[in-house]
Amino acid sequence: AQTVTQSQPEMSVQEAETVTLSCTYDTSESDYYLFWYKQPPSRQMILVIRQEAYKQQNATENRFSVNFQKAAKSFSLKISDSQLGDAAMYFCAYGDNNDMRFGAGTRLTVKP
Amino acid sequence: GAVVSQHPSWVICKSGTSVKIECRSLDFQATTMFWYRQFPKQSLMLMATSNEGSKATYEQGVEKDKFLINHASLTLSTLTVTSAHPEDSSFYICSARVGGTSPNEQFFGPGTRLTVL
Repeated sequence: AQTVTQSQPEMSVQEAETVTLSCTYDTSESDYYLFWYKQPPSRQMILVIRQEAYKQQNATENRFSVNFQKAAKSFSLKISDSQLGDAAMYFCAYGDNNDMRFGAGTRLTVKP
Repeated sequence: GAVVSQHPSWVICKSGTSVKIECRSLDFQATTMFWYRQFPKQSLMLMATSNEGSKATYEQGVEKDKFLINHASLTLSTLTVTSAHPEDSSFYICSARVGGTSPNEQFFGPGTRLTVL
């Protein structure tokens, strides 16, 4: 079964600084996607970034980028120039043709 | 585009009653919808996967007679919590997948908070 592990329950970053959230996963599939979702206090799940497993190039979306290491099954999220609005729960997720599995989440605090 | 709505957003019910939660894809047709449960400060746990016109597939440990799922059309799936008890209190989130798109392009609803007294 596919599993997703986030080993950092909480992280803190100073405003304007950079922070990296870690995620590892386990799968025997070859075709899959990886995602980072943000869940603010409203609890609406917001897609931050996605990575196709067959692509070697790391995905980037403005201040958000990933470090995808397929062989190591690692998928970390880097947030640059952190803003107060980035404070939220961040979930790493694995998805294939069947369904999506989520990690336990990392609560990110941004200090002004 | 790709908006998913849930109704109600918040419901309180008495123990022993049934509650229905609706999940709608507003501007696309969803061949597959997913139901998740999230306890406070925890992750999303997949409860079941429903495909339009067929029976839902439940995850291990989820009581199918307790959590009835119906996916009658390409834009609507419902979750009915039957004979609700306080331990069923939780945040329920649905998501919808567009048919024919890349794997797992899921769009999430805003969630429904259920409190059973």
